[in-house]
Amino acid sequence: GDSVTQMEGPVTLSEEAFLTINCTYTATGYPSLFWYVQYPGEGLQLLLKATKADDKGSNKGFEATYRKETTSFHLEKGSVQVSDSAVYFCALSRGSGGSNYKLTFGKGTLLTVNP
Amino acid sequence: SAVISQKPSRDICQRGTSLTIQCQVDSQVTMMFWYRQQPGQSLTLIATANQGSEATYESGFVIDKFPISRPNLTFSTLTVSNMSPEDSSIYLCSATGTGQYGYTFGSGTRLTVV
Repeated sequence: GDSVTQMEGPVTLSEEAFLTINCTYTATGYPSLFWYVQYPGEGLQLLLKATKADDKGSNKGFEATYRKETTSFHLEKGSVQVSDSAVYFCALSRGSGGSNYKLTFGKGTLLTVNP
Repeated sequence: SAVISQKPSRDICQRGTSLTIQCQVDSQVTMMFWYRQQPGQSLTLIATANQGSEATYESGFVIDKFPISRPNLTFSTLTVSNMSPEDSSIYLCSATGTGQYGYTFGSGTRLTVV
């Protein structure tokens, strides 16, 4: 079945440091890939997405590129801020009908950014 | 993208009782889902809420424990029945149109069973 393997945390960085959170997936066909962010005490917010190979999703300084050859979708940000402290989830959906619509999540990575 | 209102946002319940969580979407959506997030954990799909028919449950979840309704394209409820402390979790509603372009989540219901 589908699965998402995400870099385990927690990750602690200083402000303005470079961030990478690794994500690889297993799925048949061509899934859509997502990064979600969950701030403390809140629900999930879509951070960025990519729907086909070589697509780059970007938002709020975060980027991730859909690499089909390595089945990866690593999240990067060049300079993190304290406000980026949250849990980040990598997820996939095959989105082609029926149960394929459901999201499969990685375990989540807790990021803490210190001033 | 759609906006989801989920309520209640939190509740403390006695064991053996039931709680119904409501999820209202501001536009018609194709798919609605219910997830459980246990403390410090990732999200686990409970079921897909199907409009006008019985929900589709994932392995380990049963209708008697988690009955779900979806009477129309914008509304769904999840009931957590005969609760025990092990049901203490965050429950999240999610919705999407086609699945490819993103899923919206409600803000969650933080349930504590005592």
